[in-house]
Amino acid sequence: DADVTQTPRNRITKTGKRIMLECSQTKGHDRMYWYRQDPGLGLRLIYYSFDVKDINKGEISDGYSVSRQAQAKFSLSLESAIPNQTALYFCATSDRHNNEQFFGPGTRLTVL
Amino acid sequence: DAKTTQPTSMDCAEGRAANLPCNHSTISGNEYVYWYRQIHSQGPQYIIHGLKNNETNEMASLIITEDRKSSTLILPHATLRDTAVYYCIVRVGSSGSARQLTFGSGTQLTVLP
Repeated sequence: DADVTQTPRNRITKTGKRIMLECSQTKGHDRMYWYRQDPGLGLRLIYYSFDVKDINKGEISDGYSVSRQAQAKFSLSLESAIPNQTALYFCATSDRHNNEQFFGPGTRLTVL
Repeated sequence: DAKTTQPTSMDCAEGRAANLPCNHSTISGNEYVYWYRQIHSQGPQYIIHGLKNNETNEMASLIITEDRKSSTLILPHATLRDTAVYYCIVRVGSSGSARQLTFGSGTQLTVLP
């Protein structure tokens, strides 16, 4: 089984809808991250969490919110989706030493 | 975090060494050099990291210049499966650091048969 899983893997939705992307990990890591990737570009950090009680905004947090339900679960929500949020979304985890981040397989989100 | 500069794309013949350069002239003394790669639309994969000494693991070697202003990732015997975008990232990486990865545009490496 994969160490970092994301659901759904693909989602098509309409403008204005609320969407939740979920991430689960079995690595026992404290730190979790959400990134988005647009075509031809590198990854940009949306939010990160260093433990269940610690949530931090990343480079592009506007229009997004997160919830760290447990050490192993970190969800990303789009309260009212808009077309420019169409992107590939990745979840990642790392331990406290933070030398290596482990990425999930990604969620491809399309907002019409 | 220090900014990095990488070529947009490179080709390499299968079986030959792939040498991917990265410039990071504004690197600070406590910043590490990390390399990740991303095979088409998959999640990025960690390759290697280093501070000032050359590093080698089962995937690659990392050569950092003495002044630490540039580095080279070496894939000793490139295969078709090494075709990917390679990201060079510079950041503080000590234990307890609260810094995240900042990805640029990377280098698209294409391994040719």
